[in-house]
Amino acid sequence: GQNIDQPTEMTATEGAIVQINCTYQTSGFNGLFWYQQHAGEAPTFLSYNVLDGLEEKGRFSSFLSRSKGYSYLLLKELQMKDSASYLCAVSMKRGSTLGRLYFGRGTQLTVWP
Amino acid sequence: DGGITQSPKYLFRKEGQNVTLSCEQNLNHDAMYWYRQDPGQGLRLIYYSQIVNDFQKGDIAEGYSVSREKKESFPLTVTSAQKNPTAFYLCASSIPSGPAGNEQFFGPGTRLTVL
Repeated sequence: GQNIDQPTEMTATEGAIVQINCTYQTSGFNGLFWYQQHAGEAPTFLSYNVLDGLEEKGRFSSFLSRSKGYSYLLLKELQMKDSASYLCAVSMKRGSTLGRLYFGRGTQLTVWP
Repeated sequence: DGGITQSPKYLFRKEGQNVTLSCEQNLNHDAMYWYRQDPGQGLRLIYYSQIVNDFQKGDIAEGYSVSREKKESFPLTVTSAQKNPTAFYLCASSIPSGPAGNEQFFGPGTRLTVL
């Protein structure tokens, strides 16, 4: 199987910056996704990294290091609505697993006023 | 508008009954997926289909069955053999080599409660 590890819970205050880490051990790596999921709702796409480096998209940025099997999601200027679960998912590129995503357990972020 | 629909949003069944969850997409995606999510857990893959009339077991296929007779539809049957069927079920679809890799688009989910 694929080992994808991320912290279970994090807390932060409104206006702060938070970094959610994700480490993975896979073979046939083809990219890493971050999704946001509010309670009882569907996950929504945040970012996709396939090459090393930082991808910035507004208040959210995502970083990938393929050699280290490491990614992080950076959330700036936190707002109350950012309270949600953040899911790290790895994409594979081999054979019958093409298109599959392997998800971590998710990090529950709580933003306090 | 293009998207994925799942129905119903909430579903209640008695223990021992089979139940079928609907998933329809009009995004013209080839691949479709079924996940199960339990409280405090990530998404676990039940079944997936990369093309019509073909599907593969995911990590927790026991007690479930699927069909893929049409590109737009990928229904999931939760059978009486599934020991702990109460969960939140999510359907997704993707293009294997889309603009953002194989980004998966999710339906709103069905919360199944077995009494």
